[in-house]
Amino acid sequence: AQTVTQSQPEMSVQEAETVTLSCTYDTSESDYYLFWYKQPPSRQMILVIRQEAYKQQNATENRFSVNFQKAAKSFSLKISDSQLGDAAMYFCAYRMYSGGGADGLTFGKGTHLIIQP
Amino acid sequence: DVKVTQSSRYLVKRTGEKVFLECVQDMDHENMFWYRQDPGLGLRLIYFSYDVKMKEKGDIPEGYSVSREKKERFSLILESASTNQTSMYLCASSFLGGALTEAFFGQGTRLTVV
Repeated sequence: AQTVTQSQPEMSVQEAETVTLSCTYDTSESDYYLFWYKQPPSRQMILVIRQEAYKQQNATENRFSVNFQKAAKSFSLKISDSQLGDAAMYFCAYRMYSGGGADGLTFGKGTHLIIQP
Repeated sequence: DVKVTQSSRYLVKRTGEKVFLECVQDMDHENMFWYRQDPGLGLRLIYFSYDVKMKEKGDIPEGYSVSREKKERFSLILESASTNQTSMYLCASSFLGGALTEAFFGQGTRLTVV
């Protein structure tokens, strides 16, 4: 079974600074997909960024980027120029490549990100 | 905009009651999922469905069942609620076409069993 580990239960960063959230995973698959989701206090889960394992290029979405190290099974999220609205729980998630996509995401336990004004 | 709607944001039920949590999506998604979210444990998959009347067990199906009679609706059933089922429940949906497909989530139902 796949597992996803987020080793930082809580992180704090000053507004406008850069923060990196860690995620490691364990799988025997070679093709899979990785995601970062954000859950603000409203509880609405929002997709932040996604990465296909067969792509070596790291995904980027505006201020959010990932450092994907396939051999190390590491998938960290970097948030640049942190804003107060970035405060939330962040979940790393894994999905195996099943062709049809008919299976669920495996989530880590989450990292609570605090932004200090 | 994709919308995944859960019928209640907060629910209080008594031990032993039969509880129905309803989820409706409006984007014609084939996949629908039920997760349970507990502090320090993240989200854990209870059940999912990739078609009407089809269901697959997730990681923690014990004590739960599901029903999908229509494509847009996916119900989670607690046959006899117990206090250890007090939790946040999240419904999600996605298209079937490819594992990279984004899953869209509802706003969650916080269930308290007393």
